Amino acid sequence: DAGVIQSPRHEVTEMGQEVTLRCKPISGHDYLFWYRQTMMRGLELLIYFNNNVPIDDSGMPEDRFSAKMPNASFSTLKIQPSEPRDSAVYFCASSFGGIYGYTFGSGTRLTVV
Amino acid sequence: AQTVTQSQPEMSVQEAETVTLSCTYDTSESDYYLFWYKQPPSRQMILVIRQEAYKQQNATENRFSVNFQKAAKSFSLKISDSQLGDAAMYFCAYGTNYGGSQGNLIFGKGTKLSVKP
Repeated sequence: DAGVIQSPRHEVTEMGQEVTLRCKPISGHDYLFWYRQTMMRGLELLIYFNNNVPIDDSGMPEDRFSAKMPNASFSTLKIQPSEPRDSAVYFCASSFGGIYGYTFGSGTRLTVV
Repeated sequence: AQTVTQSQPEMSVQEAETVTLSCTYDTSESDYYLFWYKQPPSRQMILVIRQEAYKQQNATENRFSVNFQKAAKSFSLKISDSQLGDAAMYFCAYGTNYGGSQGNLIFGKGTKLSVKP
């Protein structure tokens, strides 16, 4: 397996634009997590899915953020409209049974100017 | 709420020497998991070592070992025979596998480790 695949690796966008981050989890994993990493707040969970169903989105900062998982092999995190304070590294991770085989993708570095 | 604290923002070690990174956590649960992740400049999060709270034996992975003190809620990482490739950010993380928080990892703020040749 190629691991958790995220795209794009880097994204630079202008304030107000829509940004979509993509993630392909490891085949057979039933949990998918989206994290955000910033210097100020460190690594924090935004949302996670179990069997494609959102379970906890309490970490999503505001309504500008949304996440979907239409099938077991694909998830998106969308920011609309984007703001400079959204600049961060966004990680996707997947696992089996919650904690087993926990694997992170290589992250997307988002810069909003 | 569970918290994870890494009190050393930066550490330095001489190549081939041993270094210990500290981590404390707070939880009211009895069954949980603890992790150390390494993040090199490539930003990939790499699992270094994992400890199940119900296991009394400290986990080891080659040059990496932990000192797990459950009563003290302490989980330190020891790196022996440090190598230049060990230079990275190291994150301590806590997780559970039941209730409404399966797989939700809570991270410390990290310790930046430098290795001097």
